Amino acid sequence: SYELTQPPSVSVSPGQTARITCSGDALPKQHAYWHQQKPGQAPVMVIYKDIERPSGIPERFSGSSSGTTVTLTISGVQPEDEADYYCQAAGTSGSYWMFGGGTKLTVL
Amino acid sequence: QVRLVQSGAEVKKPGSSVRVSCKASGGTSSSYAISWVRQAPGQGLEWMGMIIPKFATTDYTQKFQGRVTITADESTSTAYMELSSLRSEDTAVYYCNFFDSNSYHYWGQGTLVTVSP
Repeated sequence: SYELTQPPSVSVSPGQTARITCSGDALPKQHAYWHQQKPGQAPVMVIYKDIERPSGIPERFSGSSSGTTVTLTISGVQPEDEADYYCQAAGTSGSYWMFGGGTKLTVL
Repeated sequence: QVRLVQSGAEVKKPGSSVRVSCKASGGTSSSYAISWVRQAPGQGLEWMGMIIPKFATTDYTQKFQGRVTITADESTSTAYMELSSLRSEDTAVYYCNFFDSNSYHYWGQGTLVTVSP
């Protein structure tokens, strides 16, 4: 089992908004990070410190946080956004990291 | 911008050990941590442990305690992950992950380790 809980799958049509949630007791105390992984590729960070977007990541990617849940929002989903998305956070002691189980985003 | 280059694919026998390297370039002048994360076929990401090279401190997840050793050579900005007593369930892609002082995560390209008789 995972200490960070994500839905296994989310499906949206192109142009719609996709929201992927991640829940865990550590999240009010620790920042969350989101990583996108396309088939056969290494992950890429798309959101850091809950809400920050790295340079080079499209503006349609955003993050939010509320209590024990963080959310990755992709506005105006594009076909190339189809991928697995993983949330990551440090444990409550800060001496380890953990990942959610991953969410497969399907663009219909 | 940090670039991570990992060593090549390995095929190992059960019971043996494997050592994977991860060389970082750019961004290594300040404090950073390197984690090792593995991904079994068709599965999610699994954090194994990390090292902070500046302090040579390590932390490992309990699942791999006693079987994994993470080391780093600051002079070459290279981290190593050695996993011993390999079994078939250790067949996976192993990634190094670099966490810098700006809270950025960077990923290596991954190293496939196959454990087969």
